[in-house]
Amino acid sequence: GESVGLHLPTLSVQEGDNSIINCAYSNSASDYFIWYKQESGKGPQFIIDIRSNMDKRQGQRVTVLLNKTVKHLSLQIAATQPGDSAVYFCAESTNRDDKIIFGKGTRLHILP
Amino acid sequence: DAGVIQSPRHEVTEMGQEVTLRCKPISGHDYLFWYRQTMMRGLELLIYFNNNVPIDDSGMPEDRFSAKMPNASFSTLKIQPSEPRDSAVYFCASSFIGRTEAFFGQGTRLTVV
Repeated sequence: GESVGLHLPTLSVQEGDNSIINCAYSNSASDYFIWYKQESGKGPQFIIDIRSNMDKRQGQRVTVLLNKTVKHLSLQIAATQPGDSAVYFCAESTNRDDKIIFGKGTRLHILP
Repeated sequence: DAGVIQSPRHEVTEMGQEVTLRCKPISGHDYLFWYRQTMMRGLELLIYFNNNVPIDDSGMPEDRFSAKMPNASFSTLKIQPSEPRDSAVYFCASSFIGRTEAFFGQGTRLTVV
């Protein structure tokens, strides 16, 4: 599955540096905010989610920050590796219906 | 479990022909989603099912599109007649109820010429 291509914003990061990918959302009623990763030729893969009543959640090498005041979500990847090269999507979901709505993607390019 | 299985992986068809995409979700999952991915519109939710029942089909672009889930282990997305603007990658995904982690298949790349 080819991910969204030429019109994607691209973030280029040196291998070993930290990456920060940003996302603006519009639905204040969302209960969860989610990050997915899509590698070339594959379907999206879940990375991490955060409840709307939290402002930070950490996983393995990843941290998600939520700022509800400005409707902003970010994904921080520590010590970026070549395998992190992919398109990253933010998504939203509500408890009411569980459907997952995806936002625009950002392509992460790792420089050697 | 082998994960979500979609077939075919690639489909090339002529305008006006019927196209059927198939999906086998992960056993035990409650939800099944159909998404379409294009460069211009990104990942769009077309329709989703809960326990084989269609819940929301508001994303289905036109009456030419239809989806069914006759049992818990199989779903189809049909386009009849197909048009060049239907060319896209179609993904099927499944998940447990109340979970934000959806598992996606490899997708079907559809080209309508």
